[in-house]
Amino acid sequence: AQKITQTQPGMFVQEKEAVTLDCTYDTSDPSYGLFWYKQPSSGEMIFLIYQGSYDQQNATEGRYSLNFQKARKSANLVISASQLGDSAMYFCAMRERTGANSKLTFGKGITLSVRP
Amino acid sequence: GAGVSQSPSNKVTEKGKDVELRCDPISGHTALYWYRQRLGQGLEFLIYFQGNSAPDKSGLPSDRFSAERTGESVSTLTIQRTQQEDSAVYLCASSFLGGEKLFFGSGTQLSVL
Repeated sequence: AQKITQTQPGMFVQEKEAVTLDCTYDTSDPSYGLFWYKQPSSGEMIFLIYQGSYDQQNATEGRYSLNFQKARKSANLVISASQLGDSAMYFCAMRERTGANSKLTFGKGITLSVRP
Repeated sequence: GAGVSQSPSNKVTEKGKDVELRCDPISGHTALYWYRQRLGQGLEFLIYFQGNSAPDKSGLPSDRFSAERTGESVSTLTIQRTQQEDSAVYLCASSFLGGEKLFFGSGTQLSVL
């Protein structure tokens, strides 16, 4: 089974509007972390936001917020007030803490296009 | 340096040749990761170093792939007898021990002709 699932096709949003990018995950580990990264056409991976499984509140970083629904195993990224520079690939990732495995497992990504 | 440095940024090679990809992590970062990203795809985990040891090599796709790290610093990913399916961007990332955030390099674009 996939650990991280991002199934949305390419997403489009009008500039200045909000957009939600979906991510569901699968783990039996009680302790884990969830991440979102942005990858513009230049190829660099830019960290956006992190949510720990025991965090009581949803993470926020500027225009980015993470809608964490633990029971549903979802960690959707909300981008408010979209900007043209937000056009990029967005990857959801998870780190499970138990054992020696400390890697991040990434989803397949979602392409976001912001329209002027 | 200020960020994770990878070299070369681009590598074109012929099928069957060996290649070495280099990663210079952020100073003080003890954890180092290699990922592969095929065109239009997500990131595939290859190997993780903690210091100079590699507790997780589970992502290396075949015995043609190997990696080492010396001095808790530079890491080299070696691909022997390259195949066309090895063509991808190879990304390196580093973090502090126990750090949540991975810092990525700009990657090496490998093209096997």
